[in-house]
Amino acid sequence: DVKVTQSSRYLVKRTGEKVFLECVQDMDHENMFWYRQDPGLGLRLIYFSYDVKMKEKGDIPEGYSVSREKKERFSLILESASTNQTSMYLCASRDRDRDDGYTFGSGTRLTVV
Amino acid sequence: AQTVTQSQPEMSVQEAETVTLSCTYDTSESDYYLFWYKQPPSRQMILVIRQEAYKQQNATENRFSVNFQKAAKSFSLKISDSQLGDAAMYFCAMPRKNKLVFGAGTILRVKS
Repeated sequence: DVKVTQSSRYLVKRTGEKVFLECVQDMDHENMFWYRQDPGLGLRLIYFSYDVKMKEKGDIPEGYSVSREKKERFSLILESASTNQTSMYLCASRDRDRDDGYTFGSGTRLTVV
Repeated sequence: AQTVTQSQPEMSVQEAETVTLSCTYDTSESDYYLFWYKQPPSRQMILVIRQEAYKQQNATENRFSVNFQKAAKSFSLKISDSQLGDAAMYFCAMPRKNKLVFGAGTILRVKS
């Protein structure tokens, strides 16, 4: 069974901390994505990566950065966590040749206090 | 810009009844996919149904079907014989430049 695995289901961090959210996929997908999910706003794209070391900003990249050193792993970094980054974060991956082949992780609920 | 709009924040349905969730979208493309995703409390996003815009026929997957109106840019999801397990958040989505754009979501509650 193909999988996208997010390392933490729940995370509580303090304001100003550097936070790493990790995502690993086992499908050899080229494309990986980080979304943020908030009530009434749906899922909004933060960053995506179309290959190792390649990245592109999504719709709400401010306050975030990403790292993709290996094909299977895509990390979301909050350089200095703030309370307005309290949210659900979802990772996804996709075969670049398939518009309909998205697989999602189970999400990390991050609370910044 | 491609946008996806779900105007129903919350819907309720009696078990065994039928419910329709609405979605409208905007695109300048002529060929595209449209999706409905289900997100249960487990948070795992599950693809419920997909529609290819060039296909005239509405997609159907068991109790789930869509009413795709290309000219009106409307893509509603009909759930027949609703079950308690259908209770979830439902998202309408479409690809935009190799990324997925989502609507705000509709919470579906199923009453026994």
